[in-house]
Amino acid sequence: EVQLVESGGGLVQPGGSLKLSCAASGFTFSDSAMHWVRQAPGKGLEWVGRIKSKSDDYATAYAASLKGRFSVSRDDSKNTAYLQINSLNTDDTGVYYCARSTVTRGWAYDFWGQGTLVTVSS
Amino acid sequence: EIVLTQSPGTVSLSPGERGTLSCRASQSVGSRYLAWYQQKPGQAPRLLMYGASNRATGIPDRFSGSGSGTDFTLTISRLEPEDFAVYYCHQYDTTPFTFGPGTKVDIK
Repeated sequence: EVQLVESGGGLVQPGGSLKLSCAASGFTFSDSAMHWVRQAPGKGLEWVGRIKSKSDDYATAYAASLKGRFSVSRDDSKNTAYLQINSLNTDDTGVYYCARSTVTRGWAYDFWGQGTLVTVSS
Repeated sequence: EIVLTQSPGTVSLSPGERGTLSCRASQSVGSRYLAWYQQKPGQAPRLLMYGASNRATGIPDRFSGSGSGTDFTLTISRLEPEDFAVYYCHQYDTTPFTFGPGTKVDIK
C-alpha cells in the first residue's frame, strides 16, 4: 500500500525556519518525482515545488513567488522527501502536502499525504 | 507562469444532475499534462483525471475529462451525494506548475 506521511509542522515564529519531511512507503520511491503543495486556511491549492528522480539529476523547480526561501530535497536511502522553509511569514501558514508522481499516471499526483499544518505566529 | 482560471467558482446542483466544470489556461497546455483533483473538507486532494481525459484508478465512469490547448472540461454525468466537493485543475506541463482556484460543487 502506497503511503506518504508528512511531519515536521507546528507553530513557528515569523522569521523562523522549518524542515518538513515526507516519509514514503509501498512503492519504489527512487523512481518517483516528489512534490509539495500547500493550502492556506480556507483557500485553494498552491504548488510549492518538486524534485525529480536521480535519473533526471534530482532536478528541482519552485513556484515563482516562493523561490529563494523554499528548498526541496530527498534522501532515496531513507525514502524521504524534504521541504526546507526559511524566513517564514504569516502568509506561509497552512497545510503542506507532499505528493508523488510517476510515469504510470502520466506524472500526475496520484498519491498524497494527509498533510502537516504549519502555523506562523508570534 | 501559466495561470489557470476555473468557472464557475461555485455551482449548486442536485443529485442526478449533470455538472460541467471549466478550466481555461493563459497559454497552451500540453493535454498530456492537465489533471483534475477532487478535495473534500479536511481531506487531501484525490486525483480524478490525468492527461486531460484519463480516469485515475478507481474513479467511476460518470467522471470524464476533455479539452486541449487552453480549454479543458471536467464533466460529471450524474452527480452522486459523494461528488459534492471542490474540484481543481492542475497543469504540470511547464514549471512553475500551477493549480486553478477551484470550483465548488455544492448541493442545491
